[in-house]
Amino acid sequence: GAVVSQHPSRVICKSGTSVKIECRSLDFQATTMFWYRQFPKQSLMLMATSNEGSKATYEQGVEKDKFLINHASLTLSTLTVTSAHPEDSSFYICSARRTAGELFFGEGSRLTVL
Amino acid sequence: GQQVMQIPQYQHVQEGEDFTTYCNSSTTLSNIQWYKQRPGGHPVFLIQLVKSGEVKKQKRLTFQFGEAKKNSSLHITATQTTDVGTYFCAGCNQAGTALIFGKGTTLSVSS
Repeated sequence: GAVVSQHPSRVICKSGTSVKIECRSLDFQATTMFWYRQFPKQSLMLMATSNEGSKATYEQGVEKDKFLINHASLTLSTLTVTSAHPEDSSFYICSARRTAGELFFGEGSRLTVL
Repeated sequence: GQQVMQIPQYQHVQEGEDFTTYCNSSTTLSNIQWYKQRPGGHPVFLIQLVKSGEVKKQKRLTFQFGEAKKNSSLHITATQTTDVGTYFCAGCNQAGTALIFGKGTTLSVSS
């Protein structure tokens, strides 16, 4: 199956710093990638839809200036958590869609803000 | 907005028993997808249902899509310890632009 790589898998940072998470589709081109956030034992909450070459579409309640998304190429999307605070600690997962419709997920990035 | 509800939230069964999780959408869906997430892992795609009334099987797993394309179910026959995990349904809206996940059903199996 398709492979989506996400990096880093774990990151610990101090409050106030910014953290960048990369999501790459390794064997297919993804014009659309999705960023989800998952709290412990909860479902995946769609944060934004990332479209190559255009601005991301954010879900209601997600701060655009807080969670910067860049989709610079057909295989790479990045999520930057700016000025991270402890409440931003979470599991962030990206996914990419192929033409068949199913999503392929990255392995996720666990962010801990101290 | 579109909501996808999934029940039950948790289910514990003895190995060999059957298990079913149900998914209901507030709006008609273009398709519904099912994912499995093992503890500590990421969601893995299981199947996609597109047609009204569709039924698909994968070994011991049976997936159904309702006639109105607003509900779906996943049934596991004779559960095994390897079935442990959280099963999510995800409904795709008519425009095909958004995939909304249910809250998931966490299955535990004791041998």
